[in-house]
Amino acid sequence: GESVGLHLPTLSVQEGDNSIINCAYSNSASDYFIWYKQESGKGPQFIIDIRSNMDKRQGQRVTVLLNKTVKHLSLQIAATQPGDSAVYFCAEDRRGYSTLTFGKGTMLLVSP
Amino acid sequence: DTEVTQTPKHLVMGMTNKKSLKCEQHMGHRAMYWYKQKAKKPPELMFVYSYEKLSINESVPSRFSPECPNSSLLNLHLHALQPEDSALYLCASSHKTGTGAFSTGELFFGEGSRLTVL
Repeated sequence: GESVGLHLPTLSVQEGDNSIINCAYSNSASDYFIWYKQESGKGPQFIIDIRSNMDKRQGQRVTVLLNKTVKHLSLQIAATQPGDSAVYFCAEDRRGYSTLTFGKGTMLLVSP
Repeated sequence: DTEVTQTPKHLVMGMTNKKSLKCEQHMGHRAMYWYKQKAKKPPELMFVYSYEKLSINESVPSRFSPECPNSSLLNLHLHALQPEDSALYLCASSHKTGTGAFSTGELFFGEGSRLTVL
């Protein structure tokens, strides 16, 4: 299930389950969104991105959904594996602002 | 393996020391970034360089001094730091500079330099 810890929301799933990680973004002017995965002791790694003219994009085992009406982004991971255990961040990019702004992050724990 | 290389991986320094963090990329990217990340928190932007010129400083204290000697290198000079500056410092680069009508695009991150200030 999903719980909110002192600092980082955590989603615990069993291996083979589908995982859904949610993110609310702040700025309606944002036109590009990325999901990053960060394993312990490493830098963030790109997973998948989506532009604001789309509402869904699929990758290998991952799907990103964008709902601009409610400023909501989600990452779906199919058949979650122990190697998917990490912290997942969404990031938004406002046109012309030259930077990515990261959301709070969700820790995904996958048990065998 | 990341194509953005950061050195050193770990650094311990006293509050009176002067040290530098280094970052290198050979992807031909013209935008480079420094982010600071505290434990269990998202990365927070510090500086952005676009075409070797400082384009964004997110009100970072002057004890942090960035430098971009050329399009492949980015340094962060550290002087008189405080214990609360202990964090993971991440370097990133991107192909697009994010100016005008263009968004930044994907940022490629290094593995970070973990800094401890005693």
